[in-house]
Amino acid sequence: QQPVQSPQAVILREGEDAVINCSSSKALYSVHWYRQKHGEAPVFLMILLKGGEQKGHEKISASFNEKKQQSSLYLTASQLSYSGTYFCGPETCENTGNQFYFGTGTSLTVIP
Amino acid sequence: GAGVSQSPSNKVTEKGKDVELRCDPISGHTALYWYRQSLGQGLEFLIYFQGNSAPDKSGLPSDRFSAERTGGSVSTLTIQRTQQEDSAVYLCASSLAQRGWGVQETQYFGPGTRLLVL
Repeated sequence: QQPVQSPQAVILREGEDAVINCSSSKALYSVHWYRQKHGEAPVFLMILLKGGEQKGHEKISASFNEKKQQSSLYLTASQLSYSGTYFCGPETCENTGNQFYFGTGTSLTVIP
Repeated sequence: GAGVSQSPSNKVTEKGKDVELRCDPISGHTALYWYRQSLGQGLEFLIYFQGNSAPDKSGLPSDRFSAERTGGSVSTLTIQRTQQEDSAVYLCASSLAQRGWGVQETQYFGPGTRLLVL
């Protein structure tokens, strides 16, 4: 079942902050975050392994709460280059082995 | 190669025809994934290969879709008797890790094949 992201879309002014949430109905083993710009393939941002870790990449960071089966992506002091669609990619634990699905996506637009 | 490559980059076909989409993963990557992205939609998982075998075929939308991978490298996604709803961007990705071992490595995506079924 596809993980749910919220919000579906957000518009920010340059310099503002945003949080994108990703929720899964299944137990998570790890979470990836990707950004896709219009007309381009997704690009990896970061991976978080279970253990509640938080990681950062430039001014983009993320947290992973395996108990809540959730991950959040934090974008601080947003830049125009942050615009795109953000996908979480949770790795879930299944009886048949780990599975990997992308979230529903969050469209982020940063305006001057 | 330096990255994942896919061919053709664009494909226009008539309803009912068969199409083959090709993916060349990064050299040494054992895992290969096919996804579909319809206009304005998210990424839909289709199939996953570990080496030449496909342990997870759960995402294939119908029996018109099939995929194979030979030599642990190149993969072909075949759509038979194409329908208009098959129109989408088909993305291929590859990664180093073996699934089921608990650590999912980064997936590197190809540029995609834009399929239009008329």
